[in-house]
Amino acid sequence: GALVYQYPRRTICKSGTSMRMECQAVGFQATSVAWYRQSPQKTFELIALSTVNSAIKYEQNFTQEKFPISHPNLSFSSMTVLNAYLEDRGLYLCGAKGQGHERLFFGHGTKLSVL
Amino acid sequence: TQTVSQSDAHVTVFEGDSVELRCNYSYGGSIYLSWYIQHHGRGLQFLLKYYSGNPVVQGVNGFEAEFSKSDSSFHLRKASVHWSDSAVYFCAVRGGYAQGLTFGLGTRVSVFP
Repeated sequence: GALVYQYPRRTICKSGTSMRMECQAVGFQATSVAWYRQSPQKTFELIALSTVNSAIKYEQNFTQEKFPISHPNLSFSSMTVLNAYLEDRGLYLCGAKGQGHERLFFGHGTKLSVL
Repeated sequence: TQTVSQSDAHVTVFEGDSVELRCNYSYGGSIYLSWYIQHHGRGLQFLLKYYSGNPVVQGVNGFEAEFSKSDSSFHLRKASVHWSDSAVYFCAVRGGYAQGLTFGLGTRVSVFP
């Protein structure tokens, strides 16, 4: 079956430091990877969508300078939260989709706490 | 641009009751709709989806949803809830194949014994 693994599951970083999270697709080729953030008590906001052979598309309020994303092959993606502050706390979800798939497969998320 | 609205922030039901969670969307073209569940402190679990065909779709754990183009809705239903159905339910829409999902604000369901 198709699975998406995310790691780490939880992480704590000091204010002003950076944190990298990874996403691995197993059982299918992840032609598209979407990164989401769920801030405390909120819904899921799309940060960016990465599609193979296309530029990474960032949503309003999110930038490459703050959330650089790498999608080097069809099974892996990573995103870094640069210079993290309190407002960056939340659950970061990676969702991946294969060619011809309609459905996004989600990982369990990386919970980021900032001290 | 697609938008999605979940009108109920919190729904309280008793075990064995039926429940309907409302979801309305706006988008002018072909649309992909789905429902996800998030248990406390966890990630998202897929429940069901609709893209075309039979407007009533069956999902996991006895959930079903009905697409209505005229009402721009995709309401989720379950005939008899269990305490383990207590969670936050998110409706999500996608307007085009290359687009990301847009999530509603979520509906928290509390099931009492």
